[in-house]
Amino acid sequence: DAKTTQPTSMDCAEGRAANLPCNHSTISGNEYVYWYRQIHSQGPQYIIHGLKNNETNEMASLIITEDRKSSTLILPHATLRDTAVYYCIVRVGRGGATNKLIFGTGTLLAVQP
Amino acid sequence: GAVVSQHPSWVICKSGTSVKIECRSLDFQATTMFWYRQFPKQSLMLMATSNEGSKATYEQGVEKDKFLINHASLTLSTLTVTSAHPEDSSFYICSARSGGNEQFFGPGTRLTVL
Repeated sequence: DAKTTQPTSMDCAEGRAANLPCNHSTISGNEYVYWYRQIHSQGPQYIIHGLKNNETNEMASLIITEDRKSSTLILPHATLRDTAVYYCIVRVGRGGATNKLIFGTGTLLAVQP
Repeated sequence: GAVVSQHPSWVICKSGTSVKIECRSLDFQATTMFWYRQFPKQSLMLMATSNEGSKATYEQGVEKDKFLINHASLTLSTLTVTSAHPEDSSFYICSARSGGNEQFFGPGTRLTVL
């Protein structure tokens, strides 16, 4: 699986949009971009994933560059409960013994009141 | 999303004893389950991949005889930490993959070995 690079930490003011970048310059054509987050002492929570097109759900939006070498997770109106470590992971979409989620170091997002 | 449970949520044991952690997919069948370990202030580290009815595949550096994994049904996988020692104290998290290829995580089990 391709490696990802994320900033170690970021701050965001409550109510503002949080934009979390991720670089995945060695991503392969069949690899998806997944985002999970982990609130302290809990299991990771799925946020969103995408292949080429931008995606949006009730939690967030995912913007993938045209060359797919980077992406940005957007939390439109951050709240204090969004404080967590956010992980960007690239993974083959389907099947296979190597279809595993390998976590990097992630970005600690601290939402400030 | 689908629900994955773990039991117990925390456990304290004496050095040298064995501890079993259960992982259940509550509302879907999971042909594949994954076990992760997380030390304080570190990321999740994949330990092994468990397929129902077959032997688990362990990541490099993970001792299969120390971390026994059994995936006896499509909704249950167990991890047994044998002869636990203080250095095995960690946060153990399981994950289950649905037929739709989404992967859902349990709440984790905190193991403390005295």
